[in-house]
Parts: sequence; structure tokens; C-alpha cells
Amino acid sequence: DAGVTQSPTHLIKTRGQQVTLRCSPISGHKSVSWYQQVLGQGPQFIFQYYEKEERGRGNFPDRFSARQFPNYSSELNVNALLLGDSALYLCASSPSPSSYNEQFFGPGTRLTVL
Amino acid sequence: AQSVTQLGSHVSVSEGALVLLRCNYSSSVPPYLFWYVQYPNQGLQLLLKYTTGATLVKGINGFEAEFKKSETSFHLTKPSAHMSDAAEYFCAVSDRDTGNQFYFGTGTSLTVIP
Repeated sequence: DAGVTQSPTHLIKTRGQQVTLRCSPISGHKSVSWYQQVLGQGPQFIFQYYEKEERGRGNFPDRFSARQFPNYSSELNVNALLLGDSALYLCASSPSPSSYNEQFFGPGTRLTVL
Repeated sequence: AQSVTQLGSHVSVSEGALVLLRCNYSSSVPPYLFWYVQYPNQGLQLLLKYTTGATLVKGINGFEAEFKKSETSFHLTKPSAHMSDAAEYFCAVSDRDTGNQFYFGTGTSLTVIP
């Protein structure tokens, strides 16, 4: 079975630009979460979506937004990019947002902001 | 909010030696607990998790972890290190009440010396 897929793999943007990252969950998984992993740190929770509704939001500015589509895939948008947004962005899926469910992670999108 | 502490950002062991990676959580109500491994330029892979039941949990690749409520700990161990164990290890927790929005520690980089 295919795992979580993310696109693109790498991305280079300049300050002030906007970026869209995409994620396809494992088939049958209805919950998608996004995490930001800055070099040398653990992943930080950004958003969680379930059945196309936002279920949780981490401590990130409004420049960050996301949505989930009817096929449960998801997009993460970041506006007005800052140098500090450079990170690995990880998407994770699970069957539901129940606390005991593990999350299955994709390989990530490496975003570099110049 | 949850807080996860991983003592030791870098751990080195000889091949065949015991691996011990430490994880402590902050909440008074025990969360659900997870250990993930991340190889270079890859996403996170679940090693093991504790939700309920037996406090000693066995995972993949010979790893195990023990939940100790009195110590708010969930340390990861492996009796004999292998060269292929060299990677970054993350402890994560999810609150029982807020869904599987994970809080990660800062990670421990494991080096295995031949």
C-alpha cells in the first residue's frame, strides 16, 4: 500500500512569496496533520484536519493556512514567507484523530526561503 | 500544553552495547506515548507506542520502552546496538482529551561506533 505522499520534495522561495504544499494520506485515512521541523529540532504541530474540518491549530501565525479536500488530501499554504519559515514540512495521516492513533508520516517537503 | 524532554541531544554507543534514550513528559495525567525514528532525509517511522495495558512495550527492530508513571518517563532501550540504528530518535505524546496532535521532544541523535 502507498504511504503518505507529499509534493514537491524540495522548494526554494524568496522572502515575501507564497507557497503551497500538498499531501495525500494513506488510503482510508481521514485525518491529516501538518508539522514544521526546523533543522535540529523536533516537529512542531501546525494543523489537524478531519473530515474537511479543522480540528486543531498550533501556535503559528495567520500566514499559515490549510484545507482538506473531499478525497482527504490536504494543502498547506504559507503567505508572506520569512527566512524563519525554512524547514522540513511533514504531513501525517491517521484513520481518525483519536488520541491513541499513531500518525503515519510522509517524507516531507524541504522549504528553503532566501 | 504538553512538554516533552529528551535528555541528551547526542548519544554515542559502541556496536553491541546497550542503547538507552531518555524521554520525560510534563503532564499530571499520563498521555499516550510514542517513539519515532528518523533517518537522514526521510520522514518519521513509528518504533512503538504506549496507550494502555502492559507498561513494557516492544517495538520494531528490537527496541522496547517502559512507561513509568511515578517518574513520568518513557525511556527507549535496545539491548545490543547495530550500525543500522544510527538515526535521530523522537519521543512524542498526545493528550488523551485533545486528539492525536503530537508534541515532540527535541530529538536524540544516536551514533553507533564500530
